[in-house]
Amino acid sequence: AQSVSQHNHHVILSEAASLELGCNYSYGGTVNLFWYVQYPGQHLQLLLKYFSGDPLVKGIKGFEAEFIKSKFSFNLRKPSVQWSDTAEYFCAPSYSGGYQKVTFGIGTKLQVIP
Amino acid sequence: EAGVVQSPRYKIIEKKQPVAFWCNPISGHNTLYWYLQNLGQGPELLIRYENEEAVDDSQLPKDRFSAERLKGVDSTLKIQPAELGDSAVYLCASSPSRWGASGANVLTFGAGSRLTVL
Repeated sequence: AQSVSQHNHHVILSEAASLELGCNYSYGGTVNLFWYVQYPGQHLQLLLKYFSGDPLVKGIKGFEAEFIKSKFSFNLRKPSVQWSDTAEYFCAPSYSGGYQKVTFGIGTKLQVIP
Repeated sequence: EAGVVQSPRYKIIEKKQPVAFWCNPISGHNTLYWYLQNLGQGPELLIRYENEEAVDDSQLPKDRFSAERLKGVDSTLKIQPAELGDSAVYLCASSPSRWGASGANVLTFGAGSRLTVL
């Protein structure tokens, strides 16, 4: 069965610290990969996406993610976090087979301390 | 452009009562999703529509849950009767196209409908 794993459920960082959130998926076929973010009191929204091409993709607010096919990973990074990055982050692969389902990870709550 | 609109935002009911949630997707988005999100969890797909056809309802508990998207635009999700364990946020999302096309599987979410069953 297709699945997604996010390794860090709750992360607390000070402002200006670097961030890396892990995401692994289990599927050997073609995938589209997404990170979604939910800021406090707001809707889930797209942070960045990977369809094909350059495995390093950039999203909004200085976030980036790297697709490493051999490791089935799509880790999210930001060199220097800000207090406004406090949010919940969801990795969401979409698989080409079957019903092209978008599957969400459990989420990582990021708390940035000023 | 209006986003995905959901109503009601909040609903409190007693167990065994029925409840319905409504969703209006972004204009032109053929694909509509209903997700369930429990506290501390990621969204879990209940049903996905391509236009008016339910193409994936494998996770929908069909004994008590039903959904419809009659004209391929707005959609309704119903629970009858509701149980205590149904307390959660019900999310609607839409996307413009299917796999392989630009924008495929890029979901735009609504604000969600928070259900509390007492």
